Amino acid sequence: RKEVEQDPGPFNVPEGATVAFNCTYSNSASQSFFWYRQDCRKEPKLLMSVYSSGNEDGRFTAQLNRASQYISLLIRDSKLSDSATYLCVVTGGADGLTFGKGTHLIIQP
Amino acid sequence: EAGVAQSPRYKIIEKRQSVAFWCNPISGHATLYWYQQILGQGPKLLIQFQNNGVVDDSQLPKDRFSAERLKGVDSTLKIQPAKLEDSAVYLCASSPGSYNSPLHFGNGTRLTVT
Repeated sequence: RKEVEQDPGPFNVPEGATVAFNCTYSNSASQSFFWYRQDCRKEPKLLMSVYSSGNEDGRFTAQLNRASQYISLLIRDSKLSDSATYLCVVTGGADGLTFGKGTHLIIQP
Repeated sequence: EAGVAQSPRYKIIEKRQSVAFWCNPISGHATLYWYQQILGQGPKLLIQFQNNGVVDDSQLPKDRFSAERLKGVDSTLKIQPAKLEDSAVYLCASSPGSYNSPLHFGNGTRLTVT
């Protein structure tokens, strides 16, 4: 089974700062990419899909780099409520849908 | 739209006992997934159903885990007998069917094996 890798963190970031983290994937046949957010003791929830051209949703920007096989998530003007674990999901090919282990983000006041 | 329903929310059992979890996906969603999430890790796929057929159960420990989705709607996941390392959150998710479709998760069942 192919791998999806994330820096587990934690990333400790002051409120209002910009933070970015990446997710690398090993299966070059991967076709769809997502970022999920998971709060402590809660289920994962879709944050945003990641499109080839890159996409933005408010303070969040997701990008895909197929050549280097990674996706990224950028959070601008971070809020305390952004504190969570961010899970990268990669789908496609024989491996189906694979989650990374998540990156833990802590926004500090 | 009603979300993915799971029960029970919590379960505590002793090792070697049996346990079963239930999941009812979002109405009309053809694909149903069971994931195991151990504390501090990402969800690990146990089994994926497309309607009532199994698409992927390569990571399901078949000596002790079983799952069914007989009528292509709700599903049960069973562990028999349980081991200490089975302590985890068991998440059910559903999607309309395409691998391009994001997953909708239930609240999960937190299992503690003592």
